[in-house]
Formats: sequence, C-alpha cells, structure tokens
Amino acid sequence: EIVLTQSPATLSLSPGDRATLSCRASQSISRSLAWYQQKPGQPPRLLIYDASNRATGIPARFTGSGSGTDFTLTISSLEPEDFAVYYCQRRSNWPPFGGGTKVEIK
Amino acid sequence: QVQLVDSGGGVVQPGRSLRLSCAASGFTFNSCAMHWVRQAPGKGLEWVAIISFDGSNKYYADSVKGRFTISRDNSNNTLFLQMNSLRAEDTAVYYCARDLGGSFYVDWYFDLWGRGTLVTVSS
Repeated sequence: EIVLTQSPATLSLSPGDRATLSCRASQSISRSLAWYQQKPGQPPRLLIYDASNRATGIPARFTGSGSGTDFTLTISSLEPEDFAVYYCQRRSNWPPFGGGTKVEIK
Repeated sequence: QVQLVDSGGGVVQPGRSLRLSCAASGFTFNSCAMHWVRQAPGKGLEWVAIISFDGSNKYYADSVKGRFTISRDNSNNTLFLQMNSLRAEDTAVYYCARDLGGSFYVDWYFDLWGRGTLVTVSS
C-alpha cells in the first residue's frame, strides 16, 4: 500500500507570500498525483492533476511539480482566498489521499 | 449549470441502513464514471466507491466492501450509495464526485464535487 505524506502540517504565511507544499509517496508513483484545495464547509476543488496540469479555471499562481516520490504544490503569491487545506491524492484504483496541509494566515 | 447535489444523510443507529442520492445536471452523466468520497468530522478524505459510466463495474474501499453498494440511474441522472450495517466509524460527510476522465474513460481524479451530505451513526 502506497502512503502519501504531506508536509508541513501547517504553513503560516501572509498574503503575497510564496507557499511551498510537499507530498511524498512511499513508493514511486510516476506523475500520477493530484492536488485539491478545501475551504471550511466546502467540498474539495481539483487544482492540479498528473502532477503539473492545472484543472479548468485554476489560476496560474498554482503550480504543481515533481515525479516519482516527491511532489510540490507552489502558490506563487498568496491571495486571501488561498488560505485553506490542501490535499494530494494518488491516481490509482484505490486512491489514497495525503493527510493535508493547512495554509493559515500568519 | 454543471452541478452535483447530494442528499439523504441523517442520524442513524448502528446496524441500520441509509441510502444516499446524488443528482447530476449540466453534463453528460451517462458517459462519466462516478465516485463517493467521505470525510469524517475534522479528518481527511477517504475514497469509498466507484461506478463505471454504464454501471457495469463497481469497486469499493475495503472499509465498506460487503456493506455499501454503489449504483446509478442514467435515465434520471442520479447516483446512489446504499449503506447497510452502519458503524460509528462510518460517520462522515459523504461527497459524490465526478471522475475527470469523462467520455467513458476512468482517470481516478475528481473534478466535480457535490456539497456533501452528513451521515451520523450513533445510538
């Protein structure tokens, strides 16, 4: 069973800062990884799939990178609406999610 | 408007059953694989089940296998989750979600989500 570990658990930043979120897989998963954003009381929203493809309507400040076991979601300049929890997810026939990274206002 | 509207949640005693529904609109429902994903209060996301575009293939997480059944009615653009023998650990918000693949292909990413329906299993 492949496990996804996200770090850090919490990221305290200010609007305008650059955010770097990490997702590490316990085994190589090629580029089969997605990122989701979830705000309180809302469902998740797909941001990135296949490690680096932005989903429809996602702003260019969100960038996904990585392959194999190490993946990164970068938000180039945080907007107020970007403070949320972010999950990574492996594309598989039993798709696990990472534990999440909360991006909070410093 | 492209949307999924989940419903059917509520409070139920352990061992009892509940049926969730998810009404789809604004897209070609009968060409998309569909999923259920759940989230326990204050916790992360857990995939529950998938059904193929035509309902011929279904897969489940081990945690619900043998107790939950996913189904669909393509004539009415509706997805279902029949939950039997419910346990306290099934307490969660249940989301229906569309597979990104569309057009009869399964991608195992989730690009459209319902707002969720809360299931509470408690005596």
